[in-house]
Amino acid sequence: GDSVTQMEGPVTLSEEAFLTINCTYTATGYPSLFWYVQYPGEGLQLLLKATKADDKGSNKGFEATYRKETTSFHLEKGSVQVSDSAVYFCALSRPQGGSEKLVFGKGTKLTVNP
Amino acid sequence: GAGVSQSPRYKVAKRGQDVALRCDPISGHVSLFWYQQALGQGPEFLTYFQNEAQLDKSGLPSDRFFAERPEGSVSTLKIQRTQQEDSAVYLCASIRGLMNTEAFFGQGTRLTVV
Repeated sequence: GDSVTQMEGPVTLSEEAFLTINCTYTATGYPSLFWYVQYPGEGLQLLLKATKADDKGSNKGFEATYRKETTSFHLEKGSVQVSDSAVYFCALSRPQGGSEKLVFGKGTKLTVNP
Repeated sequence: GAGVSQSPRYKVAKRGQDVALRCDPISGHVSLFWYQQALGQGPEFLTYFQNEAQLDKSGLPSDRFFAERPEGSVSTLKIQRTQQEDSAVYLCASIRGLMNTEAFFGQGTRLTVV
């Protein structure tokens, strides 16, 4: 079945450091790929998405590129801020069983220190 | 409403007790999903509604789990004869249309079975 594997956490960085969170997936066909973020005390929010190979999703300084050849969708940010501290989830979806349900990775907790 | 609302936010149930968890999606959203998130894990799909029709319930872990959305808006997830392994955060998400462009998540209900 479909699955998502993402980098084990937790990740601790200093402000302005470069961030990479690795994500790889297994799926048949051509899934859509997502990064969701969960800030402390809040619900999951869509951070960015890509729907086809070589697409780049970007938002709030974060970027991820859909790489079909390596089945990857790594999240990057050039300079993290304290406010980026959150749990990040990589996810995929594709139409099956009448729904486009999301399949999530386990999440990576990021802490950014001032 | 402004977002997806779930109630209660926290629920403690004695083993064997029945519980009902409520989800108020964003007004007018057609698609509604329930997910279960165990501690330290990513959310896992439970069931999907398109308006009032339950089109996919492949993720429900047992026949003790039942979900409904009788008028195509509010949804209730019911768990009968709760067990300790049911302890988790239950997340509801809604999508405006039929395609998974952006899922809006509620803050979840944390269920603890003692």
